Amino acid sequence: DAGVTQSPTHLIKTRGQQVTLRCSPKSGHDTVSWYQQALGQGPQFIFQYYEEEERQRGNFPDRFSGHQFPNYSSELNVNALLLGDSALYLCASSLHRTLGTDTQYFGPGTRLTVL
Amino acid sequence: RKEVEQDPGPFNVPEGATVAFNCTYSNSASQSFFWYRQDCRKEPKLLMSVYSSGNEDGRFTAQLNRASQYISLLIRDSKLSDSATYLCVVNNNAGNMLTFGGGTRLMVKP
Repeated sequence: DAGVTQSPTHLIKTRGQQVTLRCSPKSGHDTVSWYQQALGQGPQFIFQYYEEEERQRGNFPDRFSGHQFPNYSSELNVNALLLGDSALYLCASSLHRTLGTDTQYFGPGTRLTVL
Repeated sequence: RKEVEQDPGPFNVPEGATVAFNCTYSNSASQSFFWYRQDCRKEPKLLMSVYSSGNEDGRFTAQLNRASQYISLLIRDSKLSDSATYLCVVNNNAGNMLTFGGGTRLMVKP
């Protein structure tokens, strides 16, 4: 049973460029959340996708966008990269519940460096 | 003020010691609480959920005090392998959005 997978593992970009990160959720999960973790800090919630729609969004600018596909996999896109976007980007998958919450399982992350 | 606050440490303890971490959260409507463990340059992994009645998993005990908005984690008989960053995590709504503290770093030494 495959866990959460993310690609690529590492990425180096320059300021102003655009980047796309990918995530495949754990088997049986239908909800994907994205987090940004800067060095020395805890992860910060970016947004969450369920049924191919953005359901919740954290305090991130519109440069951050995403998509969820029918097979539940997801992409995170960041436009006009800034130096401050350098971070570990974590994808977490879970099972949507009408009541209560489900445990989130994290992927290994994509380490983005912006030069 | 951060929504979830933790002492960043590091906590340097010898093997076999007992160590306690604390965390406070600001949103009284918070619904679920967790401790995650994160090894260096790895992803966070769920250590345990936290309940008001307190819960124990082997050497680990977690406690929630809703009145004080305070969460604790106690590690007994520390092992070298316990060295990691421990993240206090709160879920504020049914949408499953996790809010993380900054983490507390633990280093267990021989």
